[in-house]
Amino acid sequence: GAGVSQSPSNKVTEKGKDVELRCDPISGHTALYWYRQSLGQGLEFLIYFQGNSAPDKSGLPSDRFSAERTGGSVSTLTIQRTQQEDSAVYLCASSLDGAGYTFGSGTRLTVV
Amino acid sequence: AQSVSQHNHHVILSEAASLELGCNYSYGGTVNLFWYVQYPGQHLQLLLKYFSGDPLVKGIKGFEAEFIKSKFSFNLRKPSVQWSDTAEYFCAVNPSGGYNKLIFGAGTRLAVHP
Repeated sequence: GAGVSQSPSNKVTEKGKDVELRCDPISGHTALYWYRQSLGQGLEFLIYFQGNSAPDKSGLPSDRFSAERTGGSVSTLTIQRTQQEDSAVYLCASSLDGAGYTFGSGTRLTVV
Repeated sequence: AQSVSQHNHHVILSEAASLELGCNYSYGGTVNLFWYVQYPGQHLQLLLKYFSGDPLVKGIKGFEAEFIKSKFSFNLRKPSVQWSDTAEYFCAVNPSGGYNKLIFGAGTRLAVHP
């Protein structure tokens, strides 16, 4: 596609429920990144995928967070047993060569 | 700890004023440097980037940034701001070049008053 697409754009969930956030990167981009943007905070790195290499999971805040990337394209970020502090905008970005990163519009997650 | 620091969290300017937003990083070696902008309700957009060469980088919308290696700085400037520049500005560093992750500063929220 022309840009990075994320769905849903907004998600309200009850505390304790699991959620899945989806990212469709730009076609052909081999690198995919997940970030979290909390109110008044900068962007916090979560995880990134590069080709067939093992993902860099160093930014995941707890074992409730996981992500996968199927077929080197679409990625899903899963948050299990959501907590109120998980409320944030989750951003996905993709890159072809590390020289430019294109961001999606994000998923605004609200845990009530 | 390795980090990216943006010194100004909130900046308020009048139209036509000059702008300089500070960014310092603590990574050694090769770094790629970026400034992103997020207008209200919109997604992050790239303003400019530096990989190598001329340390004075020109970006979109009249923005520029200067890489000073000795100071580990990459400050963003614009000679004359407009109301439409009201946005949040993020400095980001790729500490090792290539595909490695971007590390972001906390952002600077700029408000330009007519």
